[in-house]
Amino acid sequence: GAVVSQHPSRVICKSGTSVKIECRSLDFQATTMFWYRQFPKQSLMLMATSNEGSKATYEQGVEKDKFLINHASLTLSTLTVTSAHPEDSSFYICSVPTSGGTNEQFFGPGTRLTVL
Amino acid sequence: KQEVTQIPAALSVPEGENLVLNCSFTDSAIYNLQWFRQDPGKGLTSLLLIQSSQREQTSGRLNASLDKSSGRSTLYIAASQPGDSATYLCAVRFINQAGTALIFGKGTTLSVSS
Repeated sequence: GAVVSQHPSRVICKSGTSVKIECRSLDFQATTMFWYRQFPKQSLMLMATSNEGSKATYEQGVEKDKFLINHASLTLSTLTVTSAHPEDSSFYICSVPTSGGTNEQFFGPGTRLTVL
Repeated sequence: KQEVTQIPAALSVPEGENLVLNCSFTDSAIYNLQWFRQDPGKGLTSLLLIQSSQREQTSGRLNASLDKSSGRSTLYIAASQPGDSATYLCAVRFINQAGTALIFGKGTTLSVSS
């Protein structure tokens, strides 16, 4: 399966700052990556679909101007939380769907964002 | 609306017990279903993937079944161990045109005592 890394694993920032989270597919070229968010004791919720070479597709209720996604290459997608506020504190996790017969999804280790 | 539900939300068992975790989904037109394990504050580890054409998958002490017609999947853990303590997530890929994103249940938090 695909090996997916995320950086940073944990970030604490002040309200109003912007935070960039990187998702890398280490051994698989991914034209699509997914960004999920998980609040405490809640399920993972899809935020957006990152598409290499084109605009990301956002789920209903997710502000595209606040959560900027850039899929710069087949191995890297970045999520930037702009002007972060305490309510943005969450666990952000990306996934890479593999193509072929199984279409299995492999997840990164996640990034814990805490906005003070 | 496509939804995934997991029951129970939490489960505590003594070491050695066999147990079953349940997952139900609202739309039987699924592409595949994955079971994941999530340790506190960590990412997801894929346990088993069942394609829509399959009825079950096995890996070691884990067995996952799929009944599309009734919209259910179960994860069976045999001879549970303290190391099995984690949150188990069921996720479904529904057939749609929006891509291959997964819809997750809220998970079952398992605690196995020694």
